[in-house]
Amino acid sequence: GAGVSQSPSNKVTEKGKDVELRCDPISGHTALYWYRQSLGQGLEFLIYFQGNSAPDKSGLPSDRFSAERTGGSVSTLTIQRTQQEDSAVYLCASSLKSVGEKLFFGSGTQLSVL
Amino acid sequence: RKEVEQDPGPFNVPEGATVAFNCTYSNSASQSFFWYRQDCRKEPKLLMSVYSSGNEDGRFTAQLNRASQYISLLIRDSKLSDSATYLCVVPPTGNQFYFGTGTSLTVIP
Repeated sequence: GAGVSQSPSNKVTEKGKDVELRCDPISGHTALYWYRQSLGQGLEFLIYFQGNSAPDKSGLPSDRFSAERTGGSVSTLTIQRTQQEDSAVYLCASSLKSVGEKLFFGSGTQLSVL
Repeated sequence: RKEVEQDPGPFNVPEGATVAFNCTYSNSASQSFFWYRQDCRKEPKLLMSVYSSGNEDGRFTAQLNRASQYISLLIRDSKLSDSATYLCVVPPTGNQFYFGTGTSLTVIP
C-alpha cells in the first residue's frame, strides 16, 4: 500500500478483555516496529521485527502483550486481559531495511480500556 | 542519563520569528539522526534527516555537533502551520530508535 495502515483506528474495550491491533507495513519494508504513546508522553518502544529474524521483544511491558508478524508483512499486537493503564495510542512503523533507516508511521490505534 | 533529552518547552513564538531546538544524546557511537514532527493526535512524520555536514530544507536547518553530542533544529520565518511537537530521534545501538519526548512549538499570529 501507499503507507503504513493500522486498524482499528479506535478501540474501546472493557477491563479484562483481549484486544488485537493490526498493522500492514509499506510493501517491501522488512523492518516493523510497535510503539506506544500515552497522552502527552513520548514514544515507548514495544517490539521490533526484522525479516525472518527472531523479534526483539525487550520493550513489551508484561507477558499480557504479544505480537506476531506473518509472512514478513502484516503484524498483530495482542493485549490480553487489558488494564486501564494499557490505554494509549499504539503506533506501528516500518522501514525499508534495518536499523538506522528512517521510520514511516501508521496513524495509530487509540485504545481505551474502561 | 536518558538516551535522548529534549527541552519540552512549550515554545511560543510570533509569526516570522526564528526558533531553535536542541536535543542531546548519550551514545557517542550514534551515526544518523532524525527530526520528526508530530501534530496533535497524529502520528510522527519525518521532517529531516541530520547529516554530519548539516542539512537545510527551505526554512529548516538541522545541525549535528558530535563533540557536544547534540543535534539542533532551526526554523526561520515561523509559520502558523509550524505549530507542532518536534521529536528528535537517535538510531539504535540495539534495535530500538530512541525518541525524545518532544518539544512543543506554538506559533502565534
